[in-house]
Amino acid sequence: DAGVTQSPTHLIKTRGQHVTLRCSPISGHKSVSWYQQVLGQGPQFIFQYYEKEERGRGNFPDRFSARQFPNYSSELNVNALLLGDSALYLCASSLDPMAPQHFGDGTRLSIL
Amino acid sequence: GESVGLHLPTLSVQEGDNSIINCAYSNSASDYFIWYKQESGKGPQFIIDIRSNMDKRQGQRVTVLLNKTVKHLSLQIAATQPGDSAVYFCAENMDNQGGKLIFGQGTELSVKP
Repeated sequence: DAGVTQSPTHLIKTRGQHVTLRCSPISGHKSVSWYQQVLGQGPQFIFQYYEKEERGRGNFPDRFSARQFPNYSSELNVNALLLGDSALYLCASSLDPMAPQHFGDGTRLSIL
Repeated sequence: GESVGLHLPTLSVQEGDNSIINCAYSNSASDYFIWYKQESGKGPQFIIDIRSNMDKRQGQRVTVLLNKTVKHLSLQIAATQPGDSAVYFCAENMDNQGGKLIFGQGTELSVKP
């Protein structure tokens, strides 16, 4: 069975641009969460969606937004990119918000 | 406040020995904890979880212990193998905040052949 898939795997952008990252959950999983992982640190929670509704938001600016589609896939959008947005962006899916979350291998975003 | 911390940033063990990775958490209301393994260039991989109504749970070669009195959990890996080399994170699942995971800093486990 396919795990959580994320695209693209790597991305290079410049300051001020916007980016869209995509995530396909494990089949049957209805909850998707997004995390940002800076090198040398643990992942930081950005958003959680369940049944297409936002269920939680972390301490990130409004430049970060997300949505979940009827097929439970999800997009993370970041506007007005800053150098500090350079990180590994991880998507995790679970059957429901309190079930174990399973992660994809992330999108490595570099801001120049 | 919310925080999940690890006692040691690095751990080096000999192949075949047992490994113990420790983690402290600060929110006494937390009721679900997960251990993840992250290899270089990959996302965190689920290892084992435990809910607050348990104090011990075993998996294949791994055991998680939860001590709610001192807000501490540990991951024990039996007969550590070179393939166990990775960064290990404990995470706290806080459903009253949307089910988000709070991760600690991580412990890097290095297995010497």
